[in-house]
Amino acid sequence: QVQLQESGPGLVKPSQTLSLTCTVSGGSISSDYYYWSWIRQPAGSRLEYIGRIYSSGTTDYSPSLKSRVTISMDTSKNQFSLTLTSVTAADTAMYYCARDAPMIQGVKPYYAADLWGQGTTVTVSS
Amino acid sequence: DIQMTQSPSSLSASVGDRITINCRASQSISGYLNWYQQKPGKAPNLLIYGASGLQKGVPSNFSATGSGADFTLTITGLQPEDSAAYYCQQTSSSPWTFGQGTKVEVK
Repeated sequence: QVQLQESGPGLVKPSQTLSLTCTVSGGSISSDYYYWSWIRQPAGSRLEYIGRIYSSGTTDYSPSLKSRVTISMDTSKNQFSLTLTSVTAADTAMYYCARDAPMIQGVKPYYAADLWGQGTTVTVSS
Repeated sequence: DIQMTQSPSSLSASVGDRITINCRASQSISGYLNWYQQKPGKAPNLLIYGASGLQKGVPSNFSATGSGADFTLTITGLQPEDSAAYYCQQTSSSPWTFGQGTKVEVK
């Protein structure tokens, strides 16, 4: 079965760059129809979409983070990555990677995050 | 951005009870509404997609309805393992957004 696993440093200094990688096993990130997403959740807060990348490489970012975010994919390693620049304490959160899949309800597809990584905690602190 | 508002923010119920959680979008999202369950320290788990579609493996005591801007998640025959936070999510327009969550405690 397809599994996702986040990796990256758990501590980042303010103003520096946060870099995380999601390794996908059991399936190809090049498969059509799937989005590969990054979602974060500050402690005690709601989930927040950071952005996603389609199998073709097309990206879509949250407007509130767009100026600082890059999501890329490495098909040779079956990984996709998140880069967030100029971090502040407000970027401290649990970061999840997820697969958004088209789920058929009636005759229409509805995208939903059907697979998630376990999450990785990132703290921004000096 | 489309704002998602859930009510109540928390609730406590007994084993066997029926509960409902509401989710309202700041504009019509048709049926582009998903529900997730999140237990402490765990990633969210998809329960419902497309407003009413039950994800494979999710027990049938979970159900959901709604369209437009108002949606409801219902859990019947509440069990201790249903203690969790529940989130709605709209995928009608980017950025996809989540509600603030409803924390359910099963007594």
